[in-house]
Amino acid sequence: KAGVTQTPRYLIKTRGQQVTLSCSPISGHRSVSWYQQTPGQGLQFLFEYFSETQRNKGNFPGRFSGRQFSNSRSEMNVSTLELGDSALYLCASSLVAGGEETQYFGPGTRLLVL
Amino acid sequence: GENVEQHPSTLSVQEGDSAVIKCTYSDSASNYFPWYKQELGKGPQLIIDIRSNVGEKKDQRIAVTLNKTAKHFSLHITETQPEDSAVYFCAASNKRGGADGLTFGKGTHLIIQP
Repeated sequence: KAGVTQTPRYLIKTRGQQVTLSCSPISGHRSVSWYQQTPGQGLQFLFEYFSETQRNKGNFPGRFSGRQFSNSRSEMNVSTLELGDSALYLCASSLVAGGEETQYFGPGTRLLVL
Repeated sequence: GENVEQHPSTLSVQEGDSAVIKCTYSDSASNYFPWYKQELGKGPQLIIDIRSNVGEKKDQRIAVTLNKTAKHFSLHITETQPEDSAVYFCAASNKRGGADGLTFGKGTHLIIQP
């Protein structure tokens, strides 16, 4: 089975712009979560989508948003980019088996804001 | 919310020796504790996980122990090899008994000395 794929892998933007990142989960996985990874704050949960609905949300400003499509693919959007948004953005898809859920991460999209 | 502390931040061991990484969590409702390995330029890879209904789980050279009373869990790697060198993250979750919305520790950089 193919793993979680994320596009693009690298992105450079300037302050004030907006960006959209894409994630394709493992086939059959219906839940997609997004995380931000920075050297200072580590890995932080952004939000989680299941069946096209946001099910959980972390403590990030409203500039960070996401959506999920009927094929479980997900996108996240960051508007009005700030320098501090430079980070590795990770997507994870979840498999539920026997009532238990396990998360598998993609390679990430590295965003640099200048 | 949940808070996960991870120690040490850097661990250097001789090849063939054992490595132990420890994590504590704050939310007694947390019930899922995965460990991820992250190599340079890659996303976190799930290496082992444990749920609150068991105290220990083993997979070849890797084992995880959980002490719910003390709210801590540990990763044990025996017979370390050069390919074990990476950053290791512990995490905890109390969401629906599942894996979404993981709270991560800050990571341990494991260095295997030849």
